[in-house]
Amino acid sequence: DAKTTQPNSMESNEEEPVHLPCNHSTISGTDYIHWYRQLPSQGPEYVIHGLTSNVNNRMASLAIAEDRKSSTLILHRATLRDAAVYYCILLFGNEKLTFGTGTRLTIIP
Amino acid sequence: GAVVSQHPSRVICKSGTSVKIECRSLDFQATTMFWYRQFPKQSLMLMATSNEGSKATYEQGVEKDKFLINHASLTLSTLTVTSAHPEDSSFYICSARAPGGSPLHFGNGTRLTVT
Repeated sequence: DAKTTQPNSMESNEEEPVHLPCNHSTISGTDYIHWYRQLPSQGPEYVIHGLTSNVNNRMASLAIAEDRKSSTLILHRATLRDAAVYYCILLFGNEKLTFGTGTRLTIIP
Repeated sequence: GAVVSQHPSRVICKSGTSVKIECRSLDFQATTMFWYRQFPKQSLMLMATSNEGSKATYEQGVEKDKFLINHASLTLSTLTVTSAHPEDSSFYICSARAPGGSPLHFGNGTRLTVT
């Protein structure tokens, strides 16, 4: 399975943009890049996913490098409710989702 | 949007008893559901894949006789922790995927404490 590498933790000030990096140098051409986040004491929730082009939705933006070996999840204006563990996961089709250790994001008021 | 409901959210049981956790897809049919377990300060670990109308597929190291999974309908999967022991205390989370290749939707988890 292609693996992802994320920093263990990051901090950001409230109301500022946050860029969460993910490296996936062994990604295959058919792997989608998915991001999920887990708020404290809750199940994970879907954030965004993409294949090659950058993607935007109401929660975040996903910037994918041209060679697809890395990607960045962008929260445009962090709030305290964005404090969570963010997981970058590679997925092909309907295969099972395997979680790594993720990045614990702390928002500083 | 697609919603997955998990019940109960918390359960405390005595050692040696069995506990059943339900996972329902509320507005879509899910032929496949997944069960995860999460210990404090750790990531989610996939336990098994639950397939409607057939036997579940367990991950390596997960005892199928201890963690019984039943997926009797397209909207309901259950996980029964049999003869629970304190080391089974954990956060159990289910997930399901709506048809059409949409992202996985997760329940809010069940915190099991075995005393």
